[in-house]
Formats: sequence, C-alpha cells, structure tokens
Amino acid sequence: SQQGEEDPQALSIQEGENATMNCSYKTSINNLQWYRQNSGRGLVHLILIRSNEREKHSGRLRVTLDTSKKSSSLLITASRAADTASYFCATSQASWGKLQFGAGTQVVVTP
Amino acid sequence: GAGVSQSPRYKVTKRGQDVALRCDPISGHVSLYWYRQALGQGPEFLTYFNYEAQQDKSGLPNDRFSAERPEGSISTLTIQRTEQRDSAMYRCASSLVPSGLAGYNEQFFGPGTRLTVL
Repeated sequence: SQQGEEDPQALSIQEGENATMNCSYKTSINNLQWYRQNSGRGLVHLILIRSNEREKHSGRLRVTLDTSKKSSSLLITASRAADTASYFCATSQASWGKLQFGAGTQVVVTP
Repeated sequence: GAGVSQSPRYKVTKRGQDVALRCDPISGHVSLYWYRQALGQGPEFLTYFNYEAQQDKSGLPNDRFSAERPEGSISTLTIQRTEQRDSAMYRCASSLVPSGLAGYNEQFFGPGTRLTVL
C-alpha cells in the first residue's frame, strides 16, 4: 500500500509559470523526500526535508512540510519545458530504510 | 562515476518461468533497495540490504520472490514461477550512508528492468 497521495494527479502549465503540487500522508514520519521521474527514465532525488523542518529551498524548488496536517508541498518556480516529468513524494519513518511513495503528479510544461 | 545499473533492461518471459534481475549499485554504496513500480503508480518497496545482510523483506509479495546480495555489492532479485500479475518495472536503488546510522538516506535509482510475463 502507498503512504502518500499527491494532488493534483496532473498539472499543465506554460513556461515561466509556477507549479505547485501537494502530498498528504497517513502516519508519522522522520523525513519526506521529493523525486522526479522523466518519461522512460529513472527517479532522481530532488530534495529532502526532515520532520523538524518547515521549509527548504534548492534552486527553483521550495518544499514545505506541515506535520500537524501530515502534508507537504513542492513549488517549482519559473518552470521550464525540461521540468516536464512525474513528481513523487516519498516518506520514511526512520532516518534510514525503505521509502513509501505516493502515486505522483504528472507535470507538463509547454513552451 | 557510473550510476546504478540494472540488467536486463527488458525481460519477457512465459508464465511459470523463473527470472533473475540484477542490480549493480554505485561503487561504495552500502545500502541497496528493491522496489516495484506499476504503470501510473509510485514505486512500492520490496526489500533492502545493508552490505550483504537483508534488513527488511516485508515488501516481498510472497515466497516466490527472493533477493540476495552475497558479497555486499551486486544484488539479484529472483522471481520463481512467474505469474502475469508480476509484470511491472523493477527498480533498484542504492545509498551511501549505512542505514541505521545517523544521517538521511538519499537513494539513487537505476533505470529499472521492465518485466513482462505472458
């Protein structure tokens, strides 16, 4: 079974716009990670946020975490066509070990 | 350096046959994970190793599935008597920080093996 659910399931935006996607999970976590998967390729780690952190930035990415609501959001600013991919949140109940993934948000960025 | 590699990239087999999927982690990575990903879904955890020791196999669906990592490097996921429901993308990942120690494990994923059972 999957721990997280992403919302929306699909998102279509134009280059330059911001893209926001959300992840909700069910049980308490140690950390939450976001991964990107381009069509036909492997998953690439984007960013990790710990349970005691509320916000984190990496380049054009901004991640927030609200443990009281068991939710996280990923914001991609000034999107580019190369950002077209599926984005997955993954939770870990310890600082190590298995990740539990959501079903993903499919993002399409048109030029 | 080289990333995680998996072989074969595609495997088509007939129901009832055994298959062995191979994962070669990033050199020096001590933790290795196996996931299965159905179309349109996120990866689902199967099992993981620290060095050669299997730490958690709670995600293996049934006893037809097994995995080993005898020398703490290359791992093989074996599915015996394959069934059509086993068709999926099988992904391997590795991480540098030994699980169980301080730190947080960013996992590096391989390209996957697409298994089709006819």
